[in-house]
Amino acid sequence: QSVLTQPPSVSAAPGQKVTISCSGSSSNIGNNYVSWYQQLPGTAPRLLIYENNKRPSGIPDRFSGSKSGTSATLGITGLQTGDEADYYCGTWDSSLSAGVVFGGGTKLTVL
Amino acid sequence: EVQLVESGGGLVQPGRSLRLSCTASGFTFGDYGMSWVRQAPGKGLEWVGFIRSKAYGGTREYAASVKGRFTIFRDDSESIAYLQMHSLRTEDTAVYYCTRDLFIEAAGFHYDYGMDVWGQGTTVTVSS
Repeated sequence: QSVLTQPPSVSAAPGQKVTISCSGSSSNIGNNYVSWYQQLPGTAPRLLIYENNKRPSGIPDRFSGSKSGTSATLGITGLQTGDEADYYCGTWDSSLSAGVVFGGGTKLTVL
Repeated sequence: EVQLVESGGGLVQPGRSLRLSCTASGFTFGDYGMSWVRQAPGKGLEWVGFIRSKAYGGTREYAASVKGRFTIFRDDSESIAYLQMHSLRTEDTAVYYCTRDLFIEAAGFHYDYGMDVWGQGTTVTVSS
């Protein structure tokens, strides 16, 4: 059971838009920045979004992030088959067991 | 090129120890916090632990599942981070990733900016 809650899977057609939600609490998302990671099949994860809505260099602007209260959302527009991957949200949890927490991951299928 | 390369994985019996290494290049290693993240077969990401840079005291945090069994340490002169694992269990079987961790700590608060560099991972299998 992950500290952050994500839907197990989402799907959409090429060219469409999809959103992936990430729900937490006041000890994590509610009081810290959210990051998003993309893991293509058979590869290491890579940072997609940091500080809720910022993109590292090289990440296309088709990827966006937002946060409201204790929830965050990753948006992907203009879906491509190459976007098929697992997506994870992550943040710092400042509860008694301080540390990084991840969502369980969402498998994106581009139909 | 900024890069992290893990090594040291392998097959180990339950109860034994193993040390993983993460060799960094392309950046000033000592300026950054470093984390270890693992992924069990077919499962999601699990944070293992974190070591701060010397500027923040070089202190560590660990996930409850490994606290007391795993230790992270670093050699800034060699640009290497280590994950020393003791009393290994079958549930520790996973791919272990080393990551560069971006953060700021001020006024007792930890501001997390994500893990912006990941190694390729090294596989640890705990089995008799």
